[in-house]
Amino acid sequence: SAVISQKPSRDICQRGTSLTIQCQVDSQVTMMFWYRQQPGQSLTLIATANQGSEATYESGFVIDKFPISRPNLTFSTLTVSNMSPEDSSIYLCSAGQAGAEAFFGQGTRLTVV
Amino acid sequence: LAKTTQPISMDSYEGQEVNITCSHNNIATNDYITWYQQFPSQGPRFIIQGYKTKVTNEVASLFIPADRKSSTLSLPRVSLSDTAVYYCLVGALGTGTASKLTFGTGTRLQVTL
Repeated sequence: SAVISQKPSRDICQRGTSLTIQCQVDSQVTMMFWYRQQPGQSLTLIATANQGSEATYESGFVIDKFPISRPNLTFSTLTVSNMSPEDSSIYLCSAGQAGAEAFFGQGTRLTVV
Repeated sequence: LAKTTQPISMDSYEGQEVNITCSHNNIATNDYITWYQQFPSQGPRFIIQGYKTKVTNEVASLFIPADRKSSTLSLPRVSLSDTAVYYCLVGALGTGTASKLTFGTGTRLQVTL
């Protein structure tokens, strides 16, 4: 199994600012994803983080708002840009090998004030 | 993209066996069925994954009929600590439907004494 660490675990940010969330996996993985989860709701996939190329975004999510980097097979970042209170949520990183199960980080709880 | 349908909530007493059924009528040939457990303020935790028939591990069993249009997660002798949200997902990393995992609404299991 893979161990996934996210930083920060939580943050309170001013509207209009940006926050970068880091995701570190303890082993090389082929696939990494970013999800968002509102309190009491299910997880919504934001994008697939592709190593060495632009991320693949789901409907309703755009690169300008959620730029993603994945410089290698163990690390990815998600930036929430120009934040508004509507961006307050839990952001989760997920990773795994093709054909196997995915593992999740503990999440980053973001509050925008 | 295969969609899943599962009960919104279930209640059980401690010590009972709990069976949560998930419908996935549009499952593709290459899709696996995966179940995750999520506690409040934590990322989802992998429980079990299967393709057909029955899979058992130290935590749960997964029953999949021949037509694969549904699956049942069986939790033997639940305890209070099994109170969580359980998600049924169809797909698999790097294979099958779009190579990503999409979460449905989940089943909120409440275990009481």
